[in-house]
Amino acid sequence: EAGVAQSPRYKIIEKRQSVAFWCNPISGHATLYWYQQILGQGPKLLIQFQNNGVVDDSQLPKDRFSAERLKGVDSTLKIQPAKLEDSAVYLCASSRAQYQSYYGYTFGSGTRLTVV
Amino acid sequence: GESVGLHLPTLSVQEGDNSIINCAYSNSASDYFIWYKQESGKGPQFIIDIRSNMDKRQGQRVTVLLNKTVKHLSLQIAATQPGDSAVYFCAVPRQGANNLFFGTGTRLTVIP
Repeated sequence: EAGVAQSPRYKIIEKRQSVAFWCNPISGHATLYWYQQILGQGPKLLIQFQNNGVVDDSQLPKDRFSAERLKGVDSTLKIQPAKLEDSAVYLCASSRAQYQSYYGYTFGSGTRLTVV
Repeated sequence: GESVGLHLPTLSVQEGDNSIINCAYSNSASDYFIWYKQESGKGPQFIIDIRSNMDKRQGQRVTVLLNKTVKHLSLQIAATQPGDSAVYFCAVPRQGANNLFFGTGTRLTVIP
């Protein structure tokens, strides 16, 4: 099966600009996650979707970050306006299960964002 | 909240030797543990998992040991190869949530 697709692979923006990342999960995977991975750290959950609904956005900085998964398939994560501390790799993952969906995560390769 | 840490941020081993990567966790109610491998420029990749009703599980060249008494798990890699060079993370389900919390990671470097 095809993996989780993410684009772009790299992005460099100036602070206060906006940026968007795209993720296409594995076909049939109900649950989609966005994680932020700062250099030297483990991935940190930003938001979790189940189909097209948000099930966990408790760690999403909602003043600047937003995400949507309108048709329950692909998803977009946006940052507006970006800050220097948003420099990180943004990872998308998907899982087939809805209950205990942490079984069987598959990650994409991520988008590396540099804010200058 | 969860806390999952690794004892050493970096580990260097000679090719062919065995590697042991350790991880401590804080939540005694955690019942599922996963090890991931992340190569440079890639997303984390599942290696092996273990449930709390087990104390050992083996895969291909990898073994995970779980000690619930001291809240510690380890990943053992037999006959370490250059392709094993990566960052290794342990992860646990976040308390009250349906997603994973990742530890800081250990960078394993295999010396040819």
